[in-house]
Amino acid sequence: GQNIDQPTEMTATEGAIVQINCTYQTSGFNGLFWYQQHAGEAPTFLSYNVLDGLEEKGRFSSFLSRSKGYSYLLLKELQMKDSASYLCALSGGYNKLIFGAGTRLAVHP
Amino acid sequence: DTGVSQDPRHKITKRGQNVTFRCDPISEHNRLYWYRQTLGQGPEFLTYFQNEAQLEKSRLLSDRFSAERPKGSFSTLEIQRTEQGDSAMYLCASSSRGSGGGQSNTEAFFGQGTRLTVV
Repeated sequence: GQNIDQPTEMTATEGAIVQINCTYQTSGFNGLFWYQQHAGEAPTFLSYNVLDGLEEKGRFSSFLSRSKGYSYLLLKELQMKDSASYLCALSGGYNKLIFGAGTRLAVHP
Repeated sequence: DTGVSQDPRHKITKRGQNVTFRCDPISEHNRLYWYRQTLGQGPEFLTYFQNEAQLEKSRLLSDRFSAERPKGSFSTLEIQRTEQGDSAMYLCASSSRGSGGGQSNTEAFFGQGTRLTVV
Protein backbone atom coordinates (compact mmCIF):
# COMPACT_ATOMS: atom_id res chain seq x y z
CA GLY A 1 0.00 0.00 0.00
CA GLN A 2 0.88 3.66 -0.04
CA ASN A 3 0.36 5.29 3.37
CA ILE A 4 0.70 9.04 3.00
CA ASP A 5 0.81 11.19 6.11
CA GLN A 6 0.45 14.95 6.38
CA PRO A 7 -0.34 17.16 9.35
CA THR A 8 -4.07 17.84 9.51
CA GLU A 9 -3.89 21.56 10.21
CA MET A 10 -1.30 24.33 10.34
CA THR A 11 -1.46 28.03 11.03
CA ALA A 12 0.95 30.73 9.94
CA THR A 13 1.27 34.50 9.79
CA GLU A 14 1.00 36.61 6.67
CA GLY A 15 4.46 37.28 5.24
CA ALA A 16 6.04 34.31 6.99
CA ILE A 17 7.38 31.01 5.64
CA VAL A 18 5.67 27.67 6.27
CA GLN A 19 6.80 24.13 5.56
CA ILE A 20 4.23 21.37 5.07
CA ASN A 21 5.64 17.88 5.43
CA CYS A 22 4.53 14.68 3.76
CA THR A 23 5.81 11.23 4.61
CA TYR A 24 4.93 8.06 2.81
CA GLN A 25 5.47 4.34 2.76
CA THR A 26 5.26 2.77 -0.65
CA SER A 27 6.80 0.08 -2.76
CA GLY A 28 7.28 2.43 -5.69
CA PHE A 29 6.00 5.50 -7.44
CA ASN A 30 6.79 7.65 -10.44
CA GLY A 31 6.77 11.06 -8.83
CA LEU A 32 5.30 13.19 -6.08
CA PHE A 33 2.81 16.00 -6.68
CA TRP A 34 1.59 18.87 -4.53
CA TYR A 35 -1.85 20.33 -5.19
CA GLN A 36 -3.63 23.30 -3.61
CA GLN A 37 -7.35 23.14 -2.98
CA HIS A 38 -9.50 26.03 -1.76
CA ALA A 39 -12.72 25.08 -0.03
CA GLY A 40 -15.35 23.95 -2.52
CA GLU A 41 -12.99 24.24 -5.47
CA ALA A 42 -10.95 21.92 -7.67
CA PRO A 43 -7.40 20.93 -6.72
CA THR A 44 -4.85 22.93 -8.71
CA PHE A 45 -1.32 21.81 -9.51
CA LEU A 46 1.55 23.39 -7.59
CA SER A 47 4.65 21.27 -8.12
CA TYR A 48 6.05 17.91 -9.10
CA ASN A 49 9.21 16.07 -8.01
CA VAL A 50 10.51 12.98 -9.72
CA LEU A 51 14.16 13.19 -8.65
CA ASP A 52 15.49 13.88 -5.18
CA GLY A 53 16.08 17.51 -4.47
CA LEU A 54 14.42 20.87 -4.50
CA GLU A 55 12.10 22.24 -7.18
CA GLU A 56 11.43 25.98 -6.98
CA LYS A 57 8.52 27.82 -8.57
CA GLY A 58 8.18 31.39 -7.41
CA ARG A 59 6.95 31.50 -3.82
CA PHE A 60 6.53 27.72 -3.74
CA SER A 61 9.24 25.07 -3.49
CA SER A 62 8.98 21.34 -3.06
CA PHE A 63 11.56 18.86 -1.88
CA LEU A 64 11.75 15.10 -2.25
CA SER A 65 13.94 12.46 -0.61
CA ARG A 66 13.05 9.00 -1.88
CA SER A 67 15.43 7.25 0.50
CA LYS A 68 13.76 8.91 3.50
CA GLY A 69 10.20 8.64 2.19
CA TYR A 70 9.78 12.35 2.73
CA SER A 71 8.69 15.46 0.91
CA TYR A 72 7.87 18.99 1.90
CA LEU A 73 6.20 22.00 0.37
CA LEU A 74 7.66 25.36 1.31
CA LEU A 75 5.55 28.48 0.97
CA LYS A 76 7.30 31.84 1.26
CA GLU A 77 5.94 35.36 1.75
CA LEU A 78 2.60 33.97 2.81
CA GLN A 79 -0.51 35.76 1.65
CA MET A 80 -4.05 35.49 2.98
CA LYS A 81 -5.10 33.83 -0.28
CA ASP A 82 -2.74 30.93 0.54
CA SER A 83 -5.25 29.74 3.14
CA ALA A 84 -6.27 26.42 1.60
CA SER A 85 -5.72 22.68 1.82
CA TYR A 86 -2.45 21.34 0.46
CA LEU A 87 -2.53 17.81 -0.91
CA CYS A 88 0.49 15.55 -1.27
CA ALA A 89 0.01 12.82 -3.90
CA LEU A 90 2.08 9.97 -5.29
CA SER A 91 1.71 9.08 -8.95
CA GLY A 92 1.78 5.51 -10.14
CA GLY A 93 0.86 3.74 -13.31
CA TYR A 94 -1.19 5.75 -15.84
CA ASN A 95 -0.48 8.92 -13.79
CA LYS A 96 -3.04 7.72 -11.24
CA LEU A 97 -2.73 9.87 -8.10
CA ILE A 98 -2.86 8.56 -4.56
CA PHE A 99 -3.55 11.49 -2.25
CA GLY A 100 -2.90 12.13 1.39
CA ALA A 101 -5.71 13.58 3.47
CA GLY A 102 -4.35 17.07 3.00
CA THR A 103 -3.13 19.82 5.31
CA ARG A 104 -5.46 22.76 6.02
CA LEU A 105 -3.38 25.91 6.22
CA ALA A 106 -4.81 29.02 7.85
CA VAL A 107 -2.91 32.26 7.24
CA HIS A 108 -3.56 35.00 9.79
CA PRO A 109 -2.78 38.74 9.52
CA ASP B 1 -10.37 25.66 -24.04
CA THR B 2 -11.68 26.57 -20.62
CA GLY B 3 -10.38 23.51 -18.79
CA VAL B 4 -12.15 20.45 -17.44
CA SER B 5 -15.87 20.97 -17.01
CA GLN B 6 -18.29 18.87 -15.03
CA ASP B 7 -22.07 18.83 -15.01
CA PRO B 8 -24.05 19.19 -12.85
CA ARG B 9 -22.19 21.07 -10.12
CA HIS B 10 -24.63 19.90 -7.48
CA LYS B 11 -27.05 16.99 -7.34
CA ILE B 12 -29.48 16.06 -4.58
CA THR B 13 -31.17 12.71 -4.98
CA LYS B 14 -33.24 10.32 -2.96
CA ARG B 15 -31.76 7.06 -1.81
CA GLY B 16 -32.32 4.35 -4.40
CA GLN B 17 -32.39 6.68 -7.40
CA ASN B 18 -29.87 6.55 -10.25
CA VAL B 19 -27.68 9.52 -11.07
CA THR B 20 -25.34 10.31 -13.96
CA PHE B 21 -22.56 12.86 -14.06
CA ARG B 22 -20.75 14.19 -17.09
CA CYS B 23 -17.14 15.27 -17.55
CA ASP B 24 -15.70 17.13 -20.53
CA PRO B 25 -11.89 16.98 -20.36
CA ILE B 26 -9.43 19.36 -21.96
CA SER B 27 -9.77 18.59 -25.64
CA GLU B 28 -6.30 17.30 -26.45
CA HIS B 29 -6.04 15.17 -23.29
CA ASN B 30 -6.29 11.44 -23.88
CA ARG B 31 -6.21 10.47 -20.19
CA LEU B 32 -9.30 10.87 -18.02
CA TYR B 33 -9.75 10.04 -14.35
CA TRP B 34 -12.61 9.97 -11.88
CA TYR B 35 -11.98 10.58 -8.18
CA ARG B 36 -14.25 10.82 -5.16
CA GLN B 37 -13.60 13.19 -2.27
CA THR B 38 -15.31 13.33 1.11
CA LEU B 39 -15.03 16.15 3.62
CA GLY B 40 -11.60 16.45 5.18
CA GLN B 41 -10.05 13.80 2.96
CA GLY B 42 -7.99 13.83 -0.20
CA PRO B 43 -9.47 12.61 -3.48
CA GLU B 44 -9.67 8.83 -3.89
CA PHE B 45 -9.04 7.28 -7.30
CA LEU B 46 -12.04 5.55 -8.87
CA THR B 47 -11.25 4.81 -12.50
CA TYR B 48 -9.04 5.69 -15.45
CA PHE B 49 -9.61 5.96 -19.22
CA GLN B 50 -7.03 6.19 -21.93
CA ASN B 51 -8.96 7.42 -24.94
CA GLU B 52 -12.12 5.26 -24.91
CA ALA B 53 -10.58 2.31 -23.06
CA GLN B 54 -11.23 1.91 -19.34
CA LEU B 55 -7.86 0.59 -18.20
CA GLU B 56 -8.16 0.63 -14.43
CA LYS B 57 -10.92 0.50 -11.82
CA SER B 58 -10.47 0.87 -8.09
CA ARG B 59 -11.82 -1.70 -5.68
CA LEU B 60 -13.82 1.26 -4.31
CA LEU B 61 -15.92 1.15 -7.46
CA SER B 62 -18.75 -1.21 -6.58
CA ASP B 63 -20.92 -2.79 -9.25
CA ARG B 64 -23.42 0.04 -8.74
CA PHE B 65 -20.92 2.38 -10.37
CA SER B 66 -20.23 2.43 -14.09
CA ALA B 67 -18.22 4.81 -16.19
CA GLU B 68 -17.96 5.26 -19.93
CA ARG B 69 -16.00 7.34 -22.39
CA PRO B 70 -17.59 6.22 -25.63
CA LYS B 71 -15.71 8.30 -28.18
CA GLY B 72 -12.63 9.08 -26.18
CA SER B 73 -13.83 12.60 -25.43
CA PHE B 74 -16.42 13.24 -22.69
CA SER B 75 -17.07 10.71 -19.95
CA THR B 76 -20.06 9.78 -17.81
CA LEU B 77 -20.17 8.27 -14.34
CA GLU B 78 -23.42 6.58 -13.33
CA ILE B 79 -24.35 5.47 -9.85
CA GLN B 80 -27.30 3.11 -9.61
CA ARG B 81 -29.46 2.65 -6.52
CA THR B 82 -27.71 5.44 -4.67
CA GLU B 83 -26.95 5.07 -0.96
CA GLN B 84 -26.28 7.75 1.64
CA GLY B 85 -22.65 6.66 1.72
CA ASP B 86 -22.33 7.75 -1.90
CA SER B 87 -22.63 11.40 -0.81
CA ALA B 88 -19.36 13.01 -1.82
CA MET B 89 -17.69 15.31 -4.34
CA TYR B 90 -17.01 13.49 -7.60
CA LEU B 91 -14.01 14.96 -9.39
CA CYS B 92 -12.92 14.43 -12.96
CA ALA B 93 -9.38 15.10 -14.12
CA SER B 94 -7.57 14.88 -17.42
CA SER B 95 -3.99 14.85 -18.58
CA SER B 96 -1.99 14.18 -21.69
CA ARG B 97 0.49 11.38 -22.13
CA GLY B 98 4.00 12.83 -22.14
CA SER B 99 6.13 12.70 -25.27
CA GLY B 100 8.79 10.06 -25.71
CA GLY B 101 8.73 6.38 -24.90
CA GLY B 102 7.52 4.81 -21.70
CA GLN B 103 5.36 6.43 -19.08
CA SER B 104 6.12 10.02 -18.28
CA ASN B 105 4.15 12.14 -15.89
CA THR B 106 2.29 15.32 -16.68
CA GLU B 107 0.06 17.21 -14.31
CA ALA B 108 -3.61 16.36 -14.06
CA PHE B 109 -6.14 19.17 -14.43
CA PHE B 110 -9.21 18.82 -12.27
CA GLY B 111 -12.76 19.93 -12.90
CA GLN B 112 -14.82 21.75 -10.27
CA GLY B 113 -16.55 18.52 -9.35
CA THR B 114 -20.12 17.38 -8.87
CA ARG B 115 -21.29 17.45 -5.27
CA LEU B 116 -23.72 14.60 -4.69
CA THR B 117 -26.04 14.53 -1.69
CA VAL B 118 -28.15 11.41 -1.16
CA VAL B 119 -31.08 11.97 1.19
